[in-house]
Amino acid sequence: AAGVIQSPRHLIKEKRETATLKCYPIPRHDTVYWYQQGPGQDPQFLISFYEKMQSDKGSIPDRFSAQQFSDYHSELNMSSLELGDSALYFCASSSSGRTSYEQYFGPGTRLTVT
Amino acid sequence: AQSVTQPDIHITVSEGASLELRCNYSYGATPYLFWYVQSPGQGLQLLLKYFSGDTLVQGIKGFEAEFKRSQSSFNLRKPSVHWSDAAEYFCARGGGADGLTFGKGTHLIIQP
Repeated sequence: AAGVIQSPRHLIKEKRETATLKCYPIPRHDTVYWYQQGPGQDPQFLISFYEKMQSDKGSIPDRFSAQQFSDYHSELNMSSLELGDSALYFCASSSSGRTSYEQYFGPGTRLTVT
Repeated sequence: AQSVTQPDIHITVSEGASLELRCNYSYGATPYLFWYVQSPGQGLQLLLKYFSGDTLVQGIKGFEAEFKRSQSSFNLRKPSVHWSDAAEYFCARGGGADGLTFGKGTHLIIQP
C-alpha cells in the first residue's frame, strides 16, 4: 500500500539558512500534519491542514510556515535556522472520511543545522 | 491541556514473556487513543487505536490494548514478545484534524 512520502530524507543546513520540507500524503487523504521530534524526545505537533486550510496549530515557531496545495501535498518552510531546529520532522496524513482520523506517518526528514 | 503519561521510561522483558506498557490520559471527553511504535531513526507505525465501542482493541503484530475509563488508562499488552519488538512505544491522544499529543515514550528492551 502507498505510504506517506517525505523529501528530502536528509538535509544539512547552516545557521540562518532556509529549508523546505515536502510531504506527499497517502492517496485520497485530505489532512496533513507536521511534527518535530528532537533527539530522545516525543514528537511535538507543529501544524495541520485540512482541505488546504490550516486546521490546528501547535508549537510551531514564527520562523516556520506551511501550506497545503491543491494536490494535497504540503510544504514546511523554515527560515533563519537555528541549531535547536536540528530534529526529525515527520509528516502524517489522514482521511476525514474515517471517524477516528488515525494518522499515518512518513519516514521523516532528518534536518541537521550546523 | 490534554496530556498523556507513560510512567515507564524503560522496560526490560525476556523474549517469550508477556508485556504490558502503561498509558494514562488526562480527564476529558472520550478521547481517541493510539499506540505507535518507532524503531531507531524510523517513522512511527500505528499499532492500534480506540475511539469508541469495545474497550479491548486488537492491533497489528499481536498487540492489544484495553481502554479503562475508570482508570483513565489505555495499556498496551502482548502475550509473548519477540526480539524484533524492541523499540520505542508511544501512546497518543487526539482526533479529528487536531494534532496528536504524545506521551514521552517507553523504551522496550528484549533480553534473550
